[in-house]
Amino acid sequence: GQQLNQSPQSMFIQEGEDVSMNCTSSSIFNTWLWYKQDPGEGPVLLIALYKAGELTSNGRLTAQFGITRKDSFLNISASIPSDVGIYFCAGQLGGGGADGLTFGKGTHLIIQP
Amino acid sequence: DAGVTQSPTHLIKTRGQQVTLRCSPKSGHDTVSWYQQALGQGPQFIFQYYEEEERQRGNFPDRFSGHQFPNYSSELNVNALLLGDSALYLCASSLEGGRKFFGPGTRLTVL
Repeated sequence: GQQLNQSPQSMFIQEGEDVSMNCTSSSIFNTWLWYKQDPGEGPVLLIALYKAGELTSNGRLTAQFGITRKDSFLNISASIPSDVGIYFCAGQLGGGGADGLTFGKGTHLIIQP
Repeated sequence: DAGVTQSPTHLIKTRGQQVTLRCSPKSGHDTVSWYQQALGQGPQFIFQYYEEEERQRGNFPDRFSGHQFPNYSSELNVNALLLGDSALYLCASSLEGGRKFFGPGTRLTVL
């Protein structure tokens, strides 16, 4: 099945550094979502974006919905140890009958002390 | 308020067998979706149930079927298991069109 192109695949950073990851698609989506998944758990929603060009923050996290509706990025500022995990982007067409999410392969964030 | 719950937590089956996974949605949610997450991959959408009917389906064969009950809980059935069906199966619940909450998943291993 289709998966979005998410990069980088993994990141090794120092605590306190900023992090950037992005996601691209060949198709247009009406909603972009960013999730974090910890071991043994399901994905947890971090940020939802509903309009092209929208820039939204949630604490140290900032995400943008690309103007073409085919991409999105997520920034994490001043990383801390609990930011470790796998981050997934997901696109959604939305509307009746088109609610399923298309996910990227994930960015594995590793923080070195 | 309990979140999304799934059972069992882990399951081991052999090729050719059939399996049933269960999901109880978050209280008040009426829509359940199922996803398959292979190791090292992102979740892949299987199908979504609303008002006891399959409303949308991803690119999965007919061996994958489901059901939603009047209390909104759901089952995922997989027939004629293949080695490639080994994965984490995630259930997500929501109000129609709303934010999705994922359960912890069922880890299925096919030998």
